Amino acid sequence: AQSVAQPEDQVNVAEGNPLTVKCTYSVSGNPYLFWYVQYPNRGLQFLLKYITGDNLVKGSYGFEAEFNKSQTSFHLKKPSALVSDSALYFCAVRDIRGSQGNLIFGKGTKLSVKP
Amino acid sequence: DTAVSQTPKYLVTQMGNDKSIKCEQNLGHDTMYWYKQDSKKFLKIMFSYNNKELIINETVPNRFSPKSPDKAHLNLHINSLELGDSAVYFCASSQGGREGQNEQFFGPGTRLTVL
Repeated sequence: AQSVAQPEDQVNVAEGNPLTVKCTYSVSGNPYLFWYVQYPNRGLQFLLKYITGDNLVKGSYGFEAEFNKSQTSFHLKKPSALVSDSALYFCAVRDIRGSQGNLIFGKGTKLSVKP
Repeated sequence: DTAVSQTPKYLVTQMGNDKSIKCEQNLGHDTMYWYKQDSKKFLKIMFSYNNKELIINETVPNRFSPKSPDKAHLNLHINSLELGDSAVYFCASSQGGREGQNEQFFGPGTRLTVL
C-alpha cells in the first residue's frame, strides 16, 4: 500500500537556525513527491515537488528538499528559519493507482519557530 | 484575483439537513478535487473530477456527491448531514491531473459544523 509518513508531530526551532521536517514514503515505482504548507485558517500552499532529475529540489520561501531513493525519504529543509515559517507542513505522494493525480498526504508536522 | 474560491467560508447547520459548498477556479485547470480535513488536521481525498471522469474515494458515503456544471466549477452536495461530517472541506485544482506531475492549488476551505 502506498503511504507517506511524517514521524514528528511537532518540530521546534530557534529563529536563524536550520530546520528539517522529515518525510518518508512507501510507493511502488517512481514517486512524485510534494510539500505543502498550511498557515492557520488557510488553505494549503504548494512549496516544492520532486518528479525526476536532480535530487535536491528548491522551492518557495527559501525551502528545499532532498529526494533520497535508498532511504525513501524527502525531507524538507531551510538553512535559516524565520518566525513566519511557523505553520503546518504536509508531505504528499501522488497516488499511482488513480489516473487524476490524487495525492496521499502525511499527517502533517507543526513547525514552531521561536524568536 | 483569487485562484480557487469556495463559498461559504463557514457553514453551521442541523443534523439531517442538506447543504452545498461551491467551488470555482479561474486557472483554466482541467482537474478539480475535494478534500476533507478532520479535527486532527488529517487530509483525505474525497473526489477528483477531470472533464468526463469522476473518481470517488471508496470511503466517502454516498450522501456526498460532487456536481460540475462546467470545467471551472465543482460543487459538493451533502445530504442528510451527520455530526461526523463536521470538518473543513477544501477544494483544489490542477492542470493535467492524469499525469500527476503538477501541483494542486487549494481554496481557503469551508468549515462545516453540524449540530
